Amino acid sequence: EIVLTQSPATLSLSPGERATLSCRASQTISNYLAWYQQKPGQAPRLLIYDASNRATGIPARFSGSGSGTDFTLTISSLEPEDFAVYYCQQRSGWPVTFGQGTRLDIK
Amino acid sequence: QVQLVESGGDLVKPGGSLRLSCAASGFTFSDYFMSWIRQAPGKGLEWVSYISSTGKTIYYAESVKGRFTISRDNTKNSLYLQMNSLRVEDTAIYYCARDGRGNYYDPWGQGTLVTVSS
Repeated sequence: EIVLTQSPATLSLSPGERATLSCRASQTISNYLAWYQQKPGQAPRLLIYDASNRATGIPARFSGSGSGTDFTLTISSLEPEDFAVYYCQQRSGWPVTFGQGTRLDIK
Repeated sequence: QVQLVESGGDLVKPGGSLRLSCAASGFTFSDYFMSWIRQAPGKGLEWVSYISSTGKTIYYAESVKGRFTISRDNTKNSLYLQMNSLRVEDTAIYYCARDGRGNYYDPWGQGTLVTVSS
């Protein structure tokens, strides 16, 4: 099973700041990585797939990068609605696995 | 618009059974793979099961293999999860999700809560 480790566990920033979230895979997964956003009481929402492709309707301030084992989700300028929990997910092999999440808090 | 609506969650005793349903609308259900994903209270996401568009290919997480059965009825635009021999650790919100990009999930339903407790 491929283990995804996200860091940091919690990130405290202010609106307008840049957020950088990391996800590391326990073995190479090419670019088969997605990022999801989850707000309290809501289902997750797909943000990024195949490491760097924005899903439909996702604002351009969200970007993804990386390949192999190290991946990054960047939010260029935080809006109030961006404070949430973010998960990475790999589809390189079964079972599909998720990272443990990064909580993005308002500072 | 694309919509997934789960139902069937409930409070059940350990060893009991439950059947979850997911009603799909706004897209051609029979064209898509589907999955169930769960989230224990206050915890992260765990993929549970996958079914191909025709139902011929099915996968399960090791934690549920032999106890859960995924199925679909393309004539009813519905996905199911039969859950037997439930354990306390199966307590979670269960989401159905459309797999439209090769095991990426978009969208997800709102979830249905399964609580296993005596």
